[in-house]
Amino acid sequence: SAVISQKPSRDICQRGTSLTIQCQVDSQVTMMFWYRQQPGQSLTLIATANQGSEATYESGFVIDKFPISRPNLTFSTLTVSNMSPEDSSIYLCSVEEDSTDTQYFGPGTRLTVL
Amino acid sequence: AQSVAQPEDQVNVAEGNPLTVKCTYSVSGNPYLFWYVQYPNRGLQFLLKYITGDNLVKGSYGFEAEFNKSQTSFHLKKPSALVSDSALYFCAVRDGVDYGQNFVFGPGTRLSVLP
Repeated sequence: SAVISQKPSRDICQRGTSLTIQCQVDSQVTMMFWYRQQPGQSLTLIATANQGSEATYESGFVIDKFPISRPNLTFSTLTVSNMSPEDSSIYLCSVEEDSTDTQYFGPGTRLTVL
Repeated sequence: AQSVAQPEDQVNVAEGNPLTVKCTYSVSGNPYLFWYVQYPNRGLQFLLKYITGDNLVKGSYGFEAEFNKSQTSFHLKKPSALVSDSALYFCAVRDGVDYGQNFVFGPGTRLSVLP
Protein backbone atom coordinates (compact mmCIF):
# COMPACT_ATOMS: atom_id res chain seq x y z
CA SER A 1 0.00 0.00 0.00
CA ALA A 2 1.04 3.60 -0.55
CA VAL A 3 2.95 5.35 2.21
CA ILE A 4 1.93 8.97 2.70
CA SER A 5 3.59 11.68 4.74
CA GLN A 6 2.30 15.12 5.63
CA LYS A 7 4.05 18.21 6.88
CA PRO A 8 3.59 19.85 9.28
CA SER A 9 1.99 17.37 11.66
CA ARG A 10 0.50 20.21 13.65
CA ASP A 11 0.62 23.98 13.81
CA ILE A 12 -0.82 26.87 15.76
CA CYS A 13 -1.46 29.93 13.61
CA GLN A 14 -2.71 33.46 14.02
CA ARG A 15 -5.94 34.69 12.50
CA GLY A 16 -5.49 36.16 9.02
CA THR A 17 -2.37 34.19 8.13
CA SER A 18 -2.01 31.28 5.71
CA LEU A 19 -0.60 27.77 6.11
CA THR A 20 0.55 25.40 3.40
CA ILE A 21 0.30 21.68 4.09
CA GLN A 22 2.46 19.30 2.09
CA CYS A 23 1.57 15.74 1.13
CA GLN A 24 4.15 13.31 -0.25
CA VAL A 25 3.45 9.77 -1.43
CA ASP A 26 6.03 7.08 -2.11
CA SER A 27 4.58 6.00 -5.44
CA GLN A 28 2.99 7.65 -8.45
CA VAL A 29 -0.76 8.04 -8.15
CA THR A 30 -3.31 9.72 -10.35
CA MET A 31 -5.83 10.79 -7.75
CA MET A 32 -5.12 12.67 -4.54
CA PHE A 33 -7.68 14.07 -2.16
CA TRP A 34 -7.82 16.60 0.65
CA TYR A 35 -10.23 16.12 3.55
CA ARG A 36 -11.10 18.04 6.67
CA GLN A 37 -12.04 16.32 9.91
CA GLN A 38 -13.16 17.73 13.21
CA PRO A 39 -11.76 15.57 16.04
CA GLY A 40 -13.97 12.53 16.52
CA GLN A 41 -16.12 13.40 13.54
CA SER A 42 -16.42 12.09 10.00
CA LEU A 43 -14.46 13.29 7.01
CA THR A 44 -15.49 16.10 4.69
CA LEU A 45 -13.98 16.11 1.22
CA ILE A 46 -12.47 19.48 0.31
CA ALA A 47 -11.21 18.74 -3.19
CA THR A 48 -9.81 16.22 -5.60
CA ALA A 49 -6.36 17.00 -7.01
CA ASN A 50 -5.34 15.29 -10.22
CA GLN A 51 -2.00 16.00 -11.81
CA GLY A 52 -2.19 18.16 -14.89
CA SER A 53 -5.60 19.65 -14.19
CA GLU A 54 -7.26 22.11 -11.89
CA ALA A 55 -8.45 20.76 -8.56
CA THR A 56 -12.14 19.95 -8.29
CA TYR A 57 -13.73 21.51 -5.20
CA GLU A 58 -16.71 20.21 -3.30
CA SER A 59 -19.67 22.38 -2.41
CA GLY A 60 -18.76 24.87 0.27
CA PHE A 61 -15.05 25.00 -0.57
CA VAL A 62 -13.48 27.50 -2.97
CA ILE A 63 -10.10 27.86 -4.60
CA ASP A 64 -9.40 31.29 -3.12
CA LYS A 65 -9.70 29.90 0.40
CA PHE A 66 -8.09 26.50 -0.24
CA PRO A 67 -5.68 26.72 -3.19
CA ILE A 68 -4.21 23.36 -4.15
CA SER A 69 -1.16 22.49 -6.18
CA ARG A 70 -0.39 19.13 -7.81
CA PRO A 71 2.92 19.55 -9.61
CA ASN A 72 3.61 15.84 -10.12
CA LEU A 73 2.27 12.36 -9.42
CA THR A 74 3.77 12.07 -5.92
CA PHE A 75 3.17 15.47 -4.33
CA SER A 76 0.43 17.96 -3.50
CA THR A 77 -0.06 20.99 -1.31
CA LEU A 78 -3.13 22.49 0.30
CA THR A 79 -3.05 26.08 1.51
CA VAL A 80 -5.51 27.35 4.08
CA SER A 81 -5.71 31.08 3.40
CA ASN A 82 -6.72 34.01 5.56
CA MET A 83 -7.38 31.69 8.46
CA SER A 84 -10.01 32.13 11.12
CA PRO A 85 -10.68 30.02 14.25
CA GLU A 86 -13.37 28.16 12.26
CA ASP A 87 -10.58 26.65 10.15
CA SER A 88 -9.21 24.82 13.19
CA SER A 89 -9.41 21.18 12.20
CA ILE A 90 -7.48 18.14 11.09
CA TYR A 91 -6.54 18.16 7.43
CA LEU A 92 -5.96 14.80 5.79
CA CYS A 93 -4.36 13.94 2.49
CA SER A 94 -5.30 10.70 0.78
CA VAL A 95 -4.42 8.90 -2.43
CA GLU A 96 -6.26 6.33 -4.44
CA GLU A 97 -4.07 3.53 -5.69
CA ASP A 98 -4.69 3.04 -9.39
CA SER A 99 -4.57 -0.74 -9.17
CA THR A 100 -6.63 -1.39 -6.04
CA ASP A 101 -9.51 1.15 -5.97
CA THR A 102 -8.52 1.84 -2.35
CA GLN A 103 -7.81 5.16 -0.65
CA TYR A 104 -4.92 5.46 1.76
CA PHE A 105 -4.48 8.31 4.18
CA GLY A 106 -1.67 10.41 5.50
CA PRO A 107 -1.26 10.97 9.24
CA GLY A 108 -3.02 14.33 9.13
CA THR A 109 -2.18 17.92 10.04
CA ARG A 110 -3.78 19.31 13.17
CA LEU A 111 -4.35 23.02 12.72
CA THR A 112 -5.30 25.41 15.50
CA VAL A 113 -6.12 29.02 14.62
CA LEU A 114 -6.07 31.55 17.43
CA ALA B 1 -25.96 9.39 -4.92
CA GLN B 2 -24.45 7.04 -2.39
CA SER B 3 -24.72 7.18 1.39
CA VAL B 4 -23.48 5.31 4.42
CA ALA B 5 -25.06 4.87 7.83
CA GLN B 6 -23.40 3.67 11.01
CA PRO B 7 -26.34 3.42 13.39
CA GLU B 8 -24.29 3.27 16.59
CA ASP B 9 -22.20 6.22 17.76
CA GLN B 10 -20.58 4.07 20.42
CA VAL B 11 -20.06 0.33 20.91
CA ASN B 12 -18.79 -1.08 24.19
CA VAL B 13 -17.57 -4.64 24.49
CA ALA B 14 -15.61 -6.60 27.05
CA GLU B 15 -12.17 -7.85 26.13
CA GLY B 16 -12.33 -11.36 24.73
CA ASN B 17 -15.93 -11.03 23.57
CA PRO B 18 -16.92 -10.84 19.91
CA LEU B 19 -17.52 -7.40 18.49
CA THR B 20 -19.70 -6.07 15.67
CA VAL B 21 -19.69 -2.56 14.23
CA LYS B 22 -22.64 -2.01 11.93
CA CYS B 23 -22.74 -0.35 8.52
CA THR B 24 -25.50 0.00 5.95
CA TYR B 25 -25.16 1.67 2.59
CA SER B 26 -27.02 2.98 -0.42
CA VAL B 27 -25.50 3.12 -3.89
CA SER B 28 -26.89 3.15 -7.42
CA GLY B 29 -24.39 0.82 -9.04
CA ASN B 30 -22.18 -1.92 -7.67
CA PRO B 31 -21.00 -1.16 -4.13
CA TYR B 32 -17.33 -1.00 -3.31
CA LEU B 33 -17.22 -1.10 0.50
CA PHE B 34 -14.41 -0.26 2.89
CA TRP B 35 -13.61 -0.17 6.58
CA TYR B 36 -11.04 2.17 8.11
CA VAL B 37 -9.82 2.57 11.68
CA GLN B 38 -8.51 5.74 13.28
CA TYR B 39 -6.49 5.67 16.46
CA PRO B 40 -6.12 8.87 18.51
CA ASN B 41 -4.09 11.56 16.76
CA ARG B 42 -3.53 9.36 13.72
CA GLY B 43 -4.75 9.22 10.15
CA LEU B 44 -7.17 6.59 8.88
CA GLN B 45 -5.80 3.10 8.40
CA PHE B 46 -7.31 0.77 5.81
CA LEU B 47 -8.69 -2.45 7.32
CA LEU B 48 -10.47 -4.30 4.55
CA LYS B 49 -12.64 -3.95 1.49
CA TYR B 50 -15.26 -5.71 -0.58
CA ILE B 51 -15.14 -5.26 -4.33
CA THR B 52 -16.42 -8.58 -5.66
CA GLY B 53 -16.24 -12.28 -4.89
CA ASP B 54 -16.66 -13.96 -1.53
CA ASN B 55 -19.10 -12.09 0.69
CA LEU B 56 -16.89 -12.64 3.74
CA VAL B 57 -13.71 -10.61 3.54
CA LYS B 58 -10.82 -10.78 5.97
CA GLY B 59 -8.57 -7.89 6.79
CA SER B 60 -5.92 -6.58 9.12
CA TYR B 61 -5.68 -7.24 12.88
CA GLY B 62 -8.11 -10.20 12.74
CA PHE B 63 -11.07 -8.17 11.51
CA GLU B 64 -13.54 -9.44 8.95
CA ALA B 65 -16.70 -8.10 7.35
CA GLU B 66 -19.65 -9.68 5.61
CA PHE B 67 -21.25 -8.16 2.56
CA ASN B 68 -25.03 -8.71 2.55
CA LYS B 69 -26.59 -7.44 -0.64
CA SER B 70 -30.21 -8.03 0.37
CA GLN B 71 -29.79 -6.08 3.60
CA THR B 72 -27.36 -3.57 2.03
CA SER B 73 -25.06 -4.09 4.98
CA PHE B 74 -21.34 -4.51 5.53
CA HIS B 75 -20.87 -5.13 9.25
CA LEU B 76 -17.37 -5.31 10.72
CA LYS B 77 -16.67 -8.20 13.07
CA LYS B 78 -13.95 -9.70 15.20
CA PRO B 79 -14.27 -12.96 17.16
CA SER B 80 -12.35 -11.78 20.24
CA ALA B 81 -11.88 -8.10 21.02
CA LEU B 82 -8.67 -6.61 22.38
CA VAL B 83 -8.30 -3.44 24.44
CA SER B 84 -6.02 -2.19 21.68
CA ASP B 85 -8.96 -2.35 19.23
CA SER B 86 -10.45 0.70 20.95
CA ALA B 87 -10.62 3.35 18.25
CA LEU B 88 -12.90 5.18 15.82
CA TYR B 89 -14.15 3.06 12.91
CA PHE B 90 -15.40 4.39 9.59
CA CYS B 91 -17.32 2.57 6.89
CA ALA B 92 -17.08 3.95 3.35
CA VAL B 93 -18.70 3.25 0.02
CA ARG B 94 -18.07 4.20 -3.55
CA ASP B 95 -19.99 3.37 -6.70
CA GLY B 96 -18.09 0.70 -8.62
CA VAL B 97 -19.83 1.64 -11.83
CA ASP B 98 -19.78 5.43 -11.74
CA TYR B 99 -16.15 6.31 -11.06
CA GLY B 100 -17.08 9.96 -11.11
CA GLN B 101 -18.55 9.48 -7.65
CA ASN B 102 -16.21 9.96 -4.73
CA PHE B 103 -15.87 7.90 -1.60
CA VAL B 104 -18.59 8.56 0.97
CA PHE B 105 -17.70 8.00 4.62
CA GLY B 106 -20.06 7.14 7.42
CA PRO B 107 -20.23 9.21 10.61
CA GLY B 108 -17.99 6.82 12.50
CA THR B 109 -18.48 4.46 15.44
CA ARG B 110 -16.35 4.69 18.54
CA LEU B 111 -15.42 1.25 19.83
CA SER B 112 -14.41 0.86 23.46
CA VAL B 113 -13.07 -2.49 24.57
CA LEU B 114 -13.15 -2.77 28.32
CA PRO B 115 -10.55 -4.86 30.16
